Amino acid sequence: QKEVEQNSGPLSVPEGAIASLNCTYSDRGSQSFFWYRQYSGKSPELIMFIYSNGDKEDGRFTAQLNKASQYVSLLIRDSQPSDSATYLCAGDYNYGQNFVFGPGTRLSVLP
Amino acid sequence: DTAVSQTPKYLVTQMGNDKSIKCEQNLGHDTMYWYKQDSKKFLKIMFSYNNKELIINETVPNRFSPKSPDKAHLNLHINSLELGDSAVYFCASSQAAQGWNEQFFGPGTRLTVL
Repeated sequence: QKEVEQNSGPLSVPEGAIASLNCTYSDRGSQSFFWYRQYSGKSPELIMFIYSNGDKEDGRFTAQLNKASQYVSLLIRDSQPSDSATYLCAGDYNYGQNFVFGPGTRLSVLP
Repeated sequence: DTAVSQTPKYLVTQMGNDKSIKCEQNLGHDTMYWYKQDSKKFLKIMFSYNNKELIINETVPNRFSPKSPDKAHLNLHINSLELGDSAVYFCASSQAAQGWNEQFFGPGTRLTVL
């Protein structure tokens, strides 16, 4: 059973702070991991993906992958109220044929 | 230009009916998907499909069937609708052959079964 776990939150951070979102996975077979953002009533949109151990930075976002510990994280620097959304972590098993999402973490950035 | 589109956006129907949701992608992707997001916002894959292979999530009832008339379309047919089928259904597509599976989602179809 392939599972992706996330703390459902809500995670509340003040504007300008760093938001840290975490995700763990149960099966080492995943090739890559993805972070999606979903606003209420909207479809998920990709923020970042990562497939190598270490950090990957894109603007205010940094994804971190540690395959030995089986966790993935997303850091959002200088958090803005517009970052308030649900963040979904997903693992790709078998090149898209088995794509497993976590339950999502609701982030609230307080002005 | 809309990359992944779905119709209808809302669908309200009675139990026992048969309905279809249409999905089209203009990205030239090789793989399309259907997801179900329930009231708890849990997003679960139902099917993945490219022009060679259909992968079915084993937990999906056989009342659900994907049909692909061509590479750019993947429709979802649902027979004998049940109350528990009420959810938001998302279509997605990706170029899975590239090795990392960035998926683009459609706007979703909110299905309500009465």
